[in-house]
Amino acid sequence: NAGVTQTPKFRVLKTGQSMTLLCAQDMNHEYMYWYRQDPGMGLRLIHYSVGEGTTAKGEVPDGYNVSRLKKQNFLLGLESAAPSQTSVYFCATQTGYSGGSNTQYFGPGTRLTVL
Amino acid sequence: AQSVSQHNHHVILSEAASLELGCNYSYGGTVNLFWYVQYPGQHLQLLLKYFSGDPLVKGIKGFEAEFIKSKFSFNLRKPSVQWSDTAEYFCAVSGGATNKLIFGTGTLLAVQP
Repeated sequence: NAGVTQTPKFRVLKTGQSMTLLCAQDMNHEYMYWYRQDPGMGLRLIHYSVGEGTTAKGEVPDGYNVSRLKKQNFLLGLESAAPSQTSVYFCATQTGYSGGSNTQYFGPGTRLTVL
Repeated sequence: AQSVSQHNHHVILSEAASLELGCNYSYGGTVNLFWYVQYPGQHLQLLLKYFSGDPLVKGIKGFEAEFIKSKFSFNLRKPSVQWSDTAEYFCAVSGGATNKLIFGTGTLLAVQP
């Protein structure tokens, strides 16, 4: 099993360009999350999904869109990249709701630089 | 709203020294608490978690944490660190009718051989 994979691993964009990050999981987990990690700020939740066809906003959703057309995939889109979106992006998955005690499993991350 | 504070941003220790990383949270209800570790260049991995029962939780690689409800704390400890423990450590909390994790800002641990 691959677990949680992210594509691409690295990307450099120019301001205003668009791109999509792909998160794929083979663990049959219901919940999926997108975080960004910035120095000194920990991980902040961008968007999440509690099942196929659902999405919801997290702590820092502005400038991002997401889609969950298939249970195993969670896409994060940047329509018009800005330098403030330079970050490391992590996807995570979790089995269904269980009072918040379930573990989240993280992908390897995507390092994005916006010039 | 939930929040998590990690007061030690950067810790430097020599091998065999004891480790304690502080974590305090803000939330009035039942919480679930986690410590994740991120080794250089790698993704986050779960070290240990608490959601009920014995407040002293043992995790992987000799780490443990103690949930002290009266102090809203969940400090991470290890009696003797190794060079391979060099990593960034994140405390996180979830609670209430949500599966969202709130992370602290992380503590960067450097262990000198």
